Amino acid sequence: DVKVTQSSRYLVKRTGEKVFLECVQDMDHENMFWYRQDPGLGLRLIYFSYDVKMKEKGDIPEGYSVSREKKERFSLILESASTNQTSMYLCASSLVSGVVETQYFGPGTRLLVL
Amino acid sequence: QKEVEQDPGPLSVPEGAIVSLNCTYSNSAFQYFMWYRQYSRKGPELLMYTYSSGNKEDGRFTAQVDKSSKYISLFIRDSQPSDSATYLCAMSQGNTGFQKLVFGTGTRLLVSP
Repeated sequence: DVKVTQSSRYLVKRTGEKVFLECVQDMDHENMFWYRQDPGLGLRLIYFSYDVKMKEKGDIPEGYSVSREKKERFSLILESASTNQTSMYLCASSLVSGVVETQYFGPGTRLLVL
Repeated sequence: QKEVEQDPGPLSVPEGAIVSLNCTYSNSAFQYFMWYRQYSRKGPELLMYTYSSGNKEDGRFTAQVDKSSKYISLFIRDSQPSDSATYLCAMSQGNTGFQKLVFGTGTRLLVSP
């Protein structure tokens, strides 16, 4: 089974803090993604990476950055956390199979910024 | 207008009922359609995917796509309390290379014993 793990299930941070969210997948997947999930807005793509050291902006990259130094690890960085970044953060990975891309999600990190 | 629309619910049904969950979309280029199930405080997990129009069945679950109406459905037969979760539809254009998934907001389903 594909396993995607996220470093924390719950995090509480203060406004202005630098926050690191870590994601690790164990299936040698090429693609990795960071989403945030908010009530009424669904899943929104923040950043994705299709290879080591490669990254692409998603729909809502402002206020975030990412790092992918190793294939299995994809980090999301909030440079200066703000209260509007309080959300559920979901990491996913995928291996393109033919033309169908199945994304496998981690359990999520609930971030509260005070 | 959102690219994918999904009624947030909650949809409450008694155990054993047939459940119908639906999404509409506006982008006619979508070719691949997926349903994810998300239990409370967990990440989404892929339930089913279909390509283009037609039906696909897997146990108690049937996914249906009507591209002419830009409408997809997930049917759950003999619903169980363990089916209580949020169901997210997702779709992509299915071109080669990276395909961005566009998600609906999810429908919360509650199946009571």
